[in-house]
Amino acid sequence: GQQVMQIPQYQHVQEGEDFTTYCNSSTTLSNIQWYKQRPGGHPVFLIQLVKSGEVKKQKRLTFQFGEAKKNSSLHITATQTTDVGTYFCASSTGTASKLTFGTGTRLQVTL
Amino acid sequence: DGGITQSPKYLFRKEGQNVTLSCEQNLNHDAMYWYRQDPGQGLRLIYYSQIVNDFQKGDIAEGYSVSREKKESFPLTVTSAQKNPTAFYLCASSIQGASDTQYFGPGTRLTVL
Repeated sequence: GQQVMQIPQYQHVQEGEDFTTYCNSSTTLSNIQWYKQRPGGHPVFLIQLVKSGEVKKQKRLTFQFGEAKKNSSLHITATQTTDVGTYFCASSTGTASKLTFGTGTRLQVTL
Repeated sequence: DGGITQSPKYLFRKEGQNVTLSCEQNLNHDAMYWYRQDPGQGLRLIYYSQIVNDFQKGDIAEGYSVSREKKESFPLTVTSAQKNPTAFYLCASSIQGASDTQYFGPGTRLTVL
């Protein structure tokens, strides 16, 4: 079945530093979605990318979808303590009626 | 979030007992999903349903059962056949299918003693 690998598993940064998480697949993806889960909470949708090479920004967050539609990244500029949580990518392929979630990257931000 | 409820938030059961987790949505979404999350792990799909009276197995369906008799409701039963049921269970819904945003409920943390 489809597998989506996400790296790193964990990253600890100081407030103000940048952070990037990567999502990689061996198969071509129809789309990629990104979710954030705060500690003790549930995943919340951030964004969806559909087009090859697409780049979208949300304030300090920049999302990219690879040209081959096999990888994606989420970059946070100047992290804040409110960015703490686990970031998941999720994707579907072809006519798949379900999402496959990556393993997630847990971000810890300290002052 | 917003329109999906799961109850209870915490649930304790003895080993060997079946337990049913509820999931209700008022978003008028056709598709509903059940995921399992273990500590420090990602989300694994248990079952999903794209329409009333129809559902499909996900990646880890063994030991679980579901029903979809109403559009709003998608209860999950964790049976005694599930070897390691202690986990965080998340229900989600989307308008139609996988390409749509998934909205998650607050989750139920099940502990089997």
